[in-house]
Amino acid sequence: GQQLNQSPQSMFIQEGEDVSMNCTSSSIFNTWLWYKQDPGEGPVLLIALYKAGELTSNGRLTAQFGITRKDSFLNISASIPSDVGIYFCAGLAGGTSYGKLTFGQGTILTVHP
Amino acid sequence: NAGVTQTPKFRILKIGQSMTLQCTQDMNHNYMYWYRQDPGMGLKLIYYSVGAGITDKGEVPNGYNVSRSTTEDFPLRLELAAPSQTSVYFCASHTRGQSEAFFGQGTRLTVV
Repeated sequence: GQQLNQSPQSMFIQEGEDVSMNCTSSSIFNTWLWYKQDPGEGPVLLIALYKAGELTSNGRLTAQFGITRKDSFLNISASIPSDVGIYFCAGLAGGTSYGKLTFGQGTILTVHP
Repeated sequence: NAGVTQTPKFRILKIGQSMTLQCTQDMNHNYMYWYRQDPGMGLKLIYYSVGAGITDKGEVPNGYNVSRSTTEDFPLRLELAAPSQTSVYFCASHTRGQSEAFFGQGTRLTVV
């Protein structure tokens, strides 16, 4: 089945530092998505990527859809304490698995003031 | 606008009992999903549906069943609860052509 490998599993950084995390897959996805989950809540969408090579920003967040359609990265610049949470990549499949939305294992981000 | 509503929020089941986790959305979304999230882990897809009358297995479907008789509702059924099904369950939905999936608040299930 489709597997998303997300790294790193966790990050401990100082406020103001930049953060980078990525996701790779053995399968091609039509859409790559990045979500954030706060404790006790469901995930919330940060950025959606629809085309291979697409680079999209949302405030301090930047994400790219890899050219091969099998990978994506998320960068957070100038981190702040409220960036703390779990970040998930997700891939939306096409073809015979059309509509299947698969999540990576998550990256736990801790920001020290 | 209620969005995605899950009930119950919390439940404790005894081994072997059955229950249905309810999920309803009022956004007329075609796509609906059930995930489970174990402590400190990611979201694992249990079942999904691309429209009323259509369901497909995800990564971890064993021990669960679903139905999609209407666009709004996507209940998840546990027939014989086992301790391994202790988890937080999330329902999500999105519309065709718009990939942002909206999540419910989750159902925290404990099987003892």
